[in-house]
Amino acid sequence: EVQLVESGGGLVQPGGSLRLSCAASGFTFSTYWMHWFRQVPGKGLVWVSRINSDGSDNVYADSVKGRFTVSRDNAKNTLFLQMNSLRAEDTAVYYCTRIDTSNWKVDHWGQGTLVTVSS
Amino acid sequence: DIVMTQSPDSLAVSLGERITINCKSSQSVLYSSDSKSYLAWYQRKPGQSPKLLIYWASTREPGVPDRFSGSGSGTDFTLTITSLQAEDVAVYFCQQYYATPITFGQGTRLEIK
Repeated sequence: EVQLVESGGGLVQPGGSLRLSCAASGFTFSTYWMHWFRQVPGKGLVWVSRINSDGSDNVYADSVKGRFTVSRDNAKNTLFLQMNSLRAEDTAVYYCTRIDTSNWKVDHWGQGTLVTVSS
Repeated sequence: DIVMTQSPDSLAVSLGERITINCKSSQSVLYSSDSKSYLAWYQRKPGQSPKLLIYWASTREPGVPDRFSGSGSGTDFTLTITSLQAEDVAVYFCQQYYATPITFGQGTRLEIK
């Protein structure tokens, strides 16, 4: 069974940093591309970032470019999102998801981890 | 960015009825090289993560009941649920994955009348 489990969320002050993790199991993590999405409670889902299978190529939403960095450790089946210079508008539930590159569908989502940026 | 617009925002129907939800993209999500529309439909129940129902506009995800079907191409798409069941109460939303940023419709809340 495919499982994606996010962790690392919490309360952080504006300007602070946080590192999210996503532990993957039930599939060959090293062969899959991955996305991060986020959702402000009561609002719609927003794409944040994408990384390819070996971590050599990543893409970011304009709103986080230069502040967030996506990475992965294929030996530990773990995806990361390093978030720096956090702003109040980064407050959201963050989800990691799997991409099936045979058809590019986003087929599995984690349960999400809440990040709250507030003083 | 590609803007996805769903209609209606909500609907209440009786068990056993057929429902349709519409999704329109601000530009075509049809990839000419494979003639496939990169449009997905998800179901989201309270407290749960999104569940993929349909991809490539009309391909049902394995394990999804066949009362769920998708249709459309280019910019106009429809999700149909035939014979609504109680467990279908959820928010349904469309997603284009033709281009980054991936974008979503605002969602349609489905309730039982």
